[in-house]
Amino acid sequence: GAVVSQHPSRVICKSGTSVKIECRSLDFQATTMFWYRQFPKQSLMLMATSNEGSKATYEQGVEKDKFLINHASLTLSTLTVTSAHPEDSSFYICSAPGRLNYGYTFGSGTRLTVV
Amino acid sequence: AQSVTQPDIHITVSEGASLELRCNYSYGATPYLFWYVQSPGQGLQLLLKYFSGDTLVQGIKGFEAEFKRSQSSFNLRKPSVHWSDAAEYFCAVAPGAGGGATNKLIFGTGTLLAVQP
Repeated sequence: GAVVSQHPSRVICKSGTSVKIECRSLDFQATTMFWYRQFPKQSLMLMATSNEGSKATYEQGVEKDKFLINHASLTLSTLTVTSAHPEDSSFYICSAPGRLNYGYTFGSGTRLTVV
Repeated sequence: AQSVTQPDIHITVSEGASLELRCNYSYGATPYLFWYVQSPGQGLQLLLKYFSGDTLVQGIKGFEAEFKRSQSSFNLRKPSVHWSDAAEYFCAVAPGAGGGATNKLIFGTGTLLAVQP
């Protein structure tokens, strides 16, 4: 139980285009979803917290207009990288608190490459 | 502010040898503590977690970790390492009970484990 499905796993896009990453909780309801970014050989940095039915909470230094987060339902949160640039290339991972005592479940990640 | 320190960026051990990965945290109260493993290009897999109770926690794949409040540490151990254990290991903390509404995870910088045959 407590599976988070993240798609796509890899995406290559041209500079200036937008890319949407989806995270779905498959067997539980996730009122909260966390979005992380990971640079090569570095740790995970929390970007924002999405909340079902309300605005996302962004961490300091994260551009809200560039990284649009939508939590449309109890099972789906999306991260859209708008007007992507090569410096946005990174590994993005979502996570949801599980049903039992802070058992966070992670998606498998999305490798974004902007060319 | 909450922080997690993993002093060892890179560790190499021989297959069959014992392993200890260090993790220290800074937090006002006892947080919830986690160890995750990440294979290249993959998501994170939970190895074990500590919420309360017995300070020695058993996890998957033969891993265990011990919470030491006096040292603010949560070191990960394995008595005999297998080649398949080569990966990156992350320690993480989250606010414990009453520690905050978002319960977001704060990650350490990670320790890359290499296993020699």
